Amino acid sequence: EAGVAQSPRYKIIEKRQSVAFWCNPISGHATLYWYQQILGQGPKLLIQFQNNGVVDDSQLPKDRFSAERLKGVDSTLKIQPAKLEDSAVYLCASSALTYTGELFFGEGSRLTVL
Amino acid sequence: GEDVEQSLFLSVREGDSSVINCTYTDSSSTYLYWYKQEPGAGLQLLTYIFSNMDMKQDQRLTVLLNKKDKHLSLRIADTQTGDSAIYFCAESIYGGFKTIFGAGTRLFVKA
Repeated sequence: EAGVAQSPRYKIIEKRQSVAFWCNPISGHATLYWYQQILGQGPKLLIQFQNNGVVDDSQLPKDRFSAERLKGVDSTLKIQPAKLEDSAVYLCASSALTYTGELFFGEGSRLTVL
Repeated sequence: GEDVEQSLFLSVREGDSSVINCTYTDSSSTYLYWYKQEPGAGLQLLTYIFSNMDMKQDQRLTVLLNKKDKHLSLRIADTQTGDSAIYFCAESIYGGFKTIFGAGTRLFVKA
């Protein structure tokens, strides 16, 4: 079974530029999550999709971050314009509607904002 | 509010047992998890425990849950250098709909 795929793995941009990250979840997983992991901290949920609908985006800085999940499969997370404090690893995870709620994570996209 | 706290570092010698501790705040947590993150990789579920259990054993791993004190621990027996990683405690809340992670404990295993 293929895991969660993310790209790009690494991205370096200057502040005020824009960046987009892509995620392909495990086939059949209805729920998709974007987490932000700042160095030395645990993952913080940015947005959660159930199929192609948003169920929680309370922690998403909507003035600069946007995300979509077209057709309930792939998802894109965009940052525009980027700030220095956006430097982090952006983790995508997916889960099936199982009893245990296990999350399956991709390897992450590391963003450095200069 | 929802919060998960854990110590940041733990150093042990190869062959010793490691114990990583965690406290959480939401008494309605359904499941509690331990995830492992190796360098440059995403998080991977190591083990989990349902909130009505107080212990779970899985090979070298033992999870203890004290629901009264909202305390969770992970014991790794016979720790190996390959166990060096960051271990995240997490709780599911809102009936399993949302997962909250701690900051992670970095385990160093000395040969």
